[in-house]
Order: sequence, then C-alpha cells, then structure tokens
Amino acid sequence: DAGVIQSPRHEVTEMGQEVTLRCKPISGHDYLFWYRQTMMRGLELLIYFNNNVPIDDSGMPEDRFSAKMPNASFSTLKIQPSEPRDSAVYFCASSDTTSGANVLTFGAGSRLTVL
Amino acid sequence: GEDVEQSLFLSVREGDSSVINCTYTDSSSTYLYWYKQEPGAGLQLLTYIFSNMDMKQDQRLTVLLNKKDKHLSLRIADTQTGDSAIYFCAERYSSASKIIFGSGTRLSIRP
Repeated sequence: DAGVIQSPRHEVTEMGQEVTLRCKPISGHDYLFWYRQTMMRGLELLIYFNNNVPIDDSGMPEDRFSAKMPNASFSTLKIQPSEPRDSAVYFCASSDTTSGANVLTFGAGSRLTVL
Repeated sequence: GEDVEQSLFLSVREGDSSVINCTYTDSSSTYLYWYKQEPGAGLQLLTYIFSNMDMKQDQRLTVLLNKKDKHLSLRIADTQTGDSAIYFCAERYSSASKIIFGSGTRLSIRP
C-alpha cells in the first residue's frame, strides 16, 4: 500500500479564498482522522470518521471548516472562506481498529499558507 | 478536560539516555502511544503500551506507565544524532476511538 496520501502538499492562497484538502486513507482502514499542527497549539484533532460517518467534530474551529467522507477511499477538509490564522499543516491519518491498538498511519501533511 | 502535556524541549549529549515525559487525563485510557516526527514529515509510530502494562521495551526504547499518576515516559538509550526529532505522546480515550496528542517534545542532540 502507498500509505495515506494527501494533496496538495503545499497550498498558498489569499484570504477569503476556498481551500480544499484531500486525503486517501489506507485501503481497509475503518477510521480516518484530520489533525491540524501549529506552533502555538501543537497537534489538534479536528474531526474523525468511522466507516465514513463523522463521529466527533468538536475540534472543528468554526463553521468555516467542513469535512466529508463520501466513500471509504476519500475524504476532504474544506475551509471557506480562509483566513490567515488558518495557516498550518493539516494531517490526515487512518487506522484499522481490528488489530485493537488503533495505530494511526499519517499522511505527509498539507502545508497551508493564507496570505 | 482533554489534555496531554509534555515539556517542549529536551537537549541531551550524544550517547546519553533521553527521557521524555508526558501526563495524560483519561484514567481509563486503553492505549498510550509515542510517535516521532522528523522535519517536513508526518508522524510515525514508535511504540505503544496497553494500559494493563507497566513497562514495555523495544530495542533502545523503554516505555514506563504509571497509571496512578497518569504519567508516561519514553527512554531512548544511547541517543544518536538520528534521534533528533519531535516526539509526541498520545492517548486513546476509553469512551471512544479518539486519539489526543500532546504538543510534542523537540529533542536535540549535542556532540
């Protein structure tokens, strides 16, 4: 398996623009997580899905953020409109709970810069 | 609340042992993890420990778990320059499958 694949790796956009980040989890994994990493707040859990269903979105900062998982092999995180304070590295991770330990496999991240 | 705490920085001499500490909040967490992040990369699992264990050893890595104090530590023996990275502690909440991370400890190695 190629691992968790995220795109784009880097995105620079202007304030007010819509941003869409994409994630392809590992085939067969039943959980998918979105995290945001910043210097100030560390690694924050935004939302996670189980079998394509959102389970907990309490970490989503505000209504400008939305996430979907239309099928088991694809998820998106959308920010509309984007603001400079959204600049961060966004990570997607997936896991397989059948093994018990729920070990996360992370993607390489999408670095977002909002000017 | 949900909070995993770690110190932000640790500097050790090459060849010495590194000990990275972490405190967590959910006394009934089922699994606790240590992840490593190298520059420009995602996090990679180093090791994990199930909550009914006190210690786990894996080559140069030793994990100690004190459930009473909700304290987790990671010891890296014979620290090498390749160990320079950010180390994250994480816990899996018993009531759900959500996994919460600490802010990470940046380990730097001096000659």
